[in-house]
Amino acid sequence: GENVEQHPSTLSVQEGDSAVIKCTYSDSASNYFPWYKQELGKGPQLIIDIRSNVGEKKDQRIAVTLNKTAKHFSLHITETQPEDSAVYFCAASRSSGSARQLTFGSGTQLTVLP
Amino acid sequence: NAGVTQTPKFQVLKTGQSMTLQCAQDMNHNSMYWYRQDPGMGLRLIYYSASEGTTDKGEVPNGYNVSRLNKREFSLRLESAAPSQTSVYFCASSGRTGGILMNTEAFFGQGTRLTVV
Repeated sequence: GENVEQHPSTLSVQEGDSAVIKCTYSDSASNYFPWYKQELGKGPQLIIDIRSNVGEKKDQRIAVTLNKTAKHFSLHITETQPEDSAVYFCAASRSSGSARQLTFGSGTQLTVLP
Repeated sequence: NAGVTQTPKFQVLKTGQSMTLQCAQDMNHNSMYWYRQDPGMGLRLIYYSASEGTTDKGEVPNGYNVSRLNKREFSLRLESAAPSQTSVYFCASSGRTGGILMNTEAFFGQGTRLTVV
């Protein structure tokens, strides 16, 4: 089955700096890579996703890059703000049938210091 | 829209007791999922239902059963709770969209924090 590794497990940055979180996956058939943000006491919420036919995707201060050959993808947050502090999870899945079975990384606790 | 609603939010069980976690979605999604979240391990898939009337095992199904009651509701049952099942449980749903019926993102509920003593 799929295995997703995520690094680092904790990350502290100064407000205004950039943050980068990296993930690798093992299943070359995976073709969908979402990133979720989880705030304390809440469920994960999608912040950005990328499909395997795209190398990079941006949404305001957030961007994701995908390297299919190396089987890794990264989340980039620019101009970080205190409200970006949360746990971030990467995930990977195949588009098999009508279900989306996600395999998650172990999470990164991001702290943005004011 | 409420999205994905889970009940209860918190539960304490004694070893050997049984309980059912309830989940309902109002987005007309075909697929529903149950995950558990443990410290340092991310979320792991317990069971999923690709469509009404079907259920399949995920990565960690032992000790659990599920029922897809209808298109909206998907329940998770612990028949004989064990301390190893202490975790936060998340229900999620996803649908199909677009001309080529691509899978949508997965939407998650707020979670049920379960403690087995």
